[in-house]
Amino acid sequence: DGGITQSPKYLFRKEGQNVTLSCEQNLNHDAMYWYRQDPGQGLRLIYYSQIVNDFQKGDIAEGYSVSREKKESFPLTVTSAQKNPTAFYLCASSISLGRNSPLHFGNGTRLTVT
Amino acid sequence: GDSVTQMEGPVTLSEEAFLTINCTYTATGYPSLFWYVQYPGEGLQLLLKATKADDKGSNKGFEATYRKETTSFHLEKGSVQVSDSAVYFCALSAQDSSYKLIFGSGTRLLVRP
Repeated sequence: DGGITQSPKYLFRKEGQNVTLSCEQNLNHDAMYWYRQDPGQGLRLIYYSQIVNDFQKGDIAEGYSVSREKKESFPLTVTSAQKNPTAFYLCASSISLGRNSPLHFGNGTRLTVT
Repeated sequence: GDSVTQMEGPVTLSEEAFLTINCTYTATGYPSLFWYVQYPGEGLQLLLKATKADDKGSNKGFEATYRKETTSFHLEKGSVQVSDSAVYFCALSAQDSSYKLIFGSGTRLLVRP
């Protein structure tokens, strides 16, 4: 089955540690995205990538970093500079970076930093 | 800037009741409009979409009509089931933006047997 796999489902870290969230897709999609979801709020875009070796900042990129070395993979690193990292993180992909290209989402990683 | 406003939840209904979840938007030009659904502990799934004025998107008994004159995209279903319990997000993709989906804050629906 084609889809997006995020791992792990739950992640716990101590404050001051960097942590990397995994996102893999086998849909052969060019575009990939990372969103953050907080309780009672909509999704906010962290980073997106149109193609391998290229990525752009979204609305809330501070304290995060990404890489896109392979088409299938778009890992997100939450650094110690992110002031409020506890949240639900969603990875998504689409065929292309077009406004009529629907997003396919993974099942998310819930990160808790204490 | 562009934005999406949804009715606050939770919306609690009995099985087989009629559902409306209101969504209005602010955007220049003609955005594309979407409804996504999120079941507990999962990511979002596209429910339906409409890309131009007066289009009606439909899927799984849900439907929404793109109303340019009222800048609205209300979600409706004639008879809800317990399995429809989820969080519903309205979203837009602006005409001048090729990448960014702008989401509403979500509306939680709870359907009781």
